[in-house]
Amino acid sequence: AQSVTQPDIHITVSEGASLELRCNYSYGATPYLFWYVQSPGQGLQLLLKYFSGDTLVQGIKGFEAEFKRSQSSFNLRKPSVHWSDAAEYFCAVGASGGSYIPTFGRGTSLIVHP
Amino acid sequence: EPEVTQTPSHQVTQMGQEVILRCVPISNHLYFYWYRQILGQKVEFLVSFYNNEISEKSEIFDDQFSVERPDGSNFTLKIRSTKLEDSAMYFCASSLISRDARNGYTFGSGTRLTVV
Repeated sequence: AQSVTQPDIHITVSEGASLELRCNYSYGATPYLFWYVQSPGQGLQLLLKYFSGDTLVQGIKGFEAEFKRSQSSFNLRKPSVHWSDAAEYFCAVGASGGSYIPTFGRGTSLIVHP
Repeated sequence: EPEVTQTPSHQVTQMGQEVILRCVPISNHLYFYWYRQILGQKVEFLVSFYNNEISEKSEIFDDQFSVERPDGSNFTLKIRSTKLEDSAMYFCASSLISRDARNGYTFGSGTRLTVV
């Protein structure tokens, strides 16, 4: 069975600083990987996804993530954080075989200081 | 943009009471899901629903839980005889094509259930 670890519960950055949120997964084959964001009072919104091909994936709102098979990681990055990026970020992995229903991590709360 | 709507946003209930969490999926979506997140823990899959029946469920989804699509628009999660440990955020999601998340899941904003 697949699993996801987001080792950071909270991350605090200053507005304009760069951001990297960590995600490690466990799955025997090539996984499908996702990052979702939840802003206060909103649903989980898909930021980006990786299925195959180029390991650097571009998403919405200026985010990108890089799939590194050797490290079993799919870290989310943004070069310059805006105050509106403050939210909860969830990494998820979907199995490439089987039910395909994604497994989520516990989330990382991003706090942005002015 | 179409949304998945969940009501209420926050519900407080006494231990042992039954609760029904409501979701209105996107109108042309065919697959429906419930997830939950206990505070500080992972978002956990509970159940998927298609063609008026459960297509997959996790070990969390025991006999105290049930799902229903009573009227073609609402998708409900019922918890019978709630326990303190049922306190969590419950997320509803829907998808158009299949359970395969590559085809896109749309999530609601969640219902925070507090059992006292």
